Amino acid sequence: NAGVTQTPKFRILKIGQSMTLQCTQDMNHNYMYWYRQDPGMGLKLIYYSVGAGITDKGEVPNGYNVSRSTTEDFPLRLELAAPSQTSVYFCASSPDPLRQPQHFGDGTRLSIL
Amino acid sequence: AQSVTQLGSHVSVSEGALVLLRCNYSSSVPPYLFWYVQYPNQGLQLLLKYTSAATLVKGINGFEAEFKKSETSFHLTKPSAHMSDAAEYFCAVSGHTDKLIFGTGTRLQVFP
Repeated sequence: NAGVTQTPKFRILKIGQSMTLQCTQDMNHNYMYWYRQDPGMGLKLIYYSVGAGITDKGEVPNGYNVSRSTTEDFPLRLELAAPSQTSVYFCASSPDPLRQPQHFGDGTRLSIL
Repeated sequence: AQSVTQLGSHVSVSEGALVLLRCNYSSSVPPYLFWYVQYPNQGLQLLLKYTSAATLVKGINGFEAEFKKSETSFHLTKPSAHMSDAAEYFCAVSGHTDKLIFGTGTRLQVFP
C-alpha cells in the first residue's frame, strides 16, 4: 500500500528554470492538496482539487500551476523558478476533508539557486 | 473563517515528564480538529482527530487531546515523554470547507 508518492525527493533548480513535481495516490481519494512548508511558517496551501478536472487556488498560488486529469495524479508545475520558491513541498490526499485526515507524501525538497 | 494558534514554537521536556502542546482555534462553525506529527525528513502523520464525538480524544503513541469549547482549545498531552516523541507537531482545523488550516507548529525536544 503505497499511499501518496512524491517525486523527486530532492531537486536543485536555477532561477528561471521550470519543473514539475509529481504526486500520485493509490487510495482513490477525490481530494488532493499541495502545500509548501517553510521554517516556522507551518504549511501553506498552494492549490487543491476536489476531483478529476477540478482545481482551485489556495493561499499562495502565485508562480505555480496544477492539473488533475485523473483521480490518481496531481502534478504541480513551477514555470519560472524564483529563489522565493525554495521550500519543502508536500502533497496530500483525503476521502473526506471535513472528517477524515489528510494522507501526506514524504515531500520534495526544492532549492532554487 | 477558521484559524489556529499554537503557543510556543519550541517545547523542551525531560524524558518521563509530562508533554503539553497548546492549540487554540477560531471557527465560526463547529470545528473538526486534528493533531499531526512530523518526524525529520518525513511527511505529516495523523496523531488524533476530534469530530464532535467524545471531547477527550485518544491517539497513537499515548497522546491524547481534550476539546474545550469554552476555551476554544485542543491541547495535546502525553503523561510521560519518550525520546522517540521528539518531532514537530501541528494542530489543524477544518470548518465545513474543503481545506485544513494548519498552525505554525511546535517543535518538541526530549532530553534524557
